[in-house]
Amino acid sequence: AQSVTQPDIHITVSEGASLELRCNYSYGATPYLFWYVQSPGQGLQLLLKYFSGDTLVQGIKGFEAEFKRSQSSFNLRKPSVHWSDAAEYFCAVGARAAGNKLTFGGGTRVLVKP
Amino acid sequence: DAMVIQNPRYQVTQFGKPVTLSCSQTLNHNVMYWYQQKSSQAPKLLFHYYDKDFNNEADTPDNFQSRRPNTSFCFLDIRSPGLGDAAMYLCATSRDQRQGSYNEQFFGPGTRLTVL
Repeated sequence: AQSVTQPDIHITVSEGASLELRCNYSYGATPYLFWYVQSPGQGLQLLLKYFSGDTLVQGIKGFEAEFKRSQSSFNLRKPSVHWSDAAEYFCAVGARAAGNKLTFGGGTRVLVKP
Repeated sequence: DAMVIQNPRYQVTQFGKPVTLSCSQTLNHNVMYWYQQKSSQAPKLLFHYYDKDFNNEADTPDNFQSRRPNTSFCFLDIRSPGLGDAAMYLCATSRDQRQGSYNEQFFGPGTRLTVL
């Protein structure tokens, strides 16, 4: 069965500083990888996804993520954080062999200091 | 704009009193999902419909049921809510998942359920 680990439960970053959120997955076949963002009391918004091709993917709101098969990782980055980026971020893996289920990591809560 | 709509956004019910949460979509997607998300946890899939084909997760309690009367609507029924069922319930949709590439899921804003 697939699984996703987000090692950092909380991250605090200063506004304007760079941000990197870690994500490691476990899945035996080709993974379909996603990053979602969730603001308090809101649903999930897709930031970006990786299915195949270029391992560096660009998303909305200035986010990017890099797929590294050798490390089973799909880390999310943003060069300069804005206060509005304070939210919870979920990494997820989709697996066709598992009935197309989407498995989420535990999430990383990002706090932005002025 | 095409979207996933959940009503109500906030629902309060009493312990043991049946409650129904609603999801509708204008995306014309044939797959619809219900997730439960407890505080500070990741969403957990309860079940999904592929068209009218219902697929229950093995660990979803019998207390949770679902109905999909047509493509656009899907309902989550909690027959006898307990205090442990207080959570955010997220509905999601996607296109045909049984052919071609994996298709992403689009989420609604969620319904926050409080059980008194």
